[in-house]
Amino acid sequence: EDQVTQSPEALRLQEGESSSLNCSYTVSGLRGLFWYRQDPGKGPEFLFTLYSAGEEKEKERLKATLTKKESFLHITAPKPEDSATYLCAVYGYSGAGSYQLTFGKGTKLSVIP
Amino acid sequence: TAGITQAPTSQILAAGRSMTLRCTQDMRHNAMYWYRQDLGLGLRLIHYSNTAGTTGKGEVPDGYSVSRANTDDFPLTLASAVPSQTSVYFCASSDGREAFFGQGTRLTVV
Repeated sequence: EDQVTQSPEALRLQEGESSSLNCSYTVSGLRGLFWYRQDPGKGPEFLFTLYSAGEEKEKERLKATLTKKESFLHITAPKPEDSATYLCAVYGYSGAGSYQLTFGKGTKLSVIP
Repeated sequence: TAGITQAPTSQILAAGRSMTLRCTQDMRHNAMYWYRQDLGLGLRLIHYSNTAGTTGKGEVPDGYSVSRANTDDFPLTLASAVPSQTSVYFCASSDGREAFFGQGTRLTVV
């Protein structure tokens, strides 16, 4: 059974204070690792897909990295508008030719001005 | 671009009644998913479909059914609603490289 664990559950940062969010996973046949941003009352917004260990992707102040057991979402000099819940998901093989997208519980990020 | 459309946006439903949550995508993705999101429990997979004509059970399938008659539509049906099905429901679609979500349906069963 695929498992995804995100830490910390919540993170408060001062504006400009860089940090990282962690996503550790166990999965059979990883096809991809996805990162999302979710604002209150809205659906998850797709950010990145990472496919193999060593891969990195960047978008504005966000950079996602991947190893064989975990992924990090690095936030550089965050702004208040980066406040949201960040979700990690693994796209893994679930048998009989099927793939499932399994989510962690998320990290709630608050950036204080 | 529409992406994924869910309807209704919100609904209050009497216990014991049936309801179908609608989900339509215009990206021609093969895979579609239904999740429920509850405080403290995150997104949990209800049912999924890897291609039109096939469906599978996720982590919490009891009390729900789905069908996938074509590529674009993936309705979720509650045959006889119970209060524990009060939640926010999200539909998603994927081509294996990206996965996109609808804006959700907030369902309250009373």
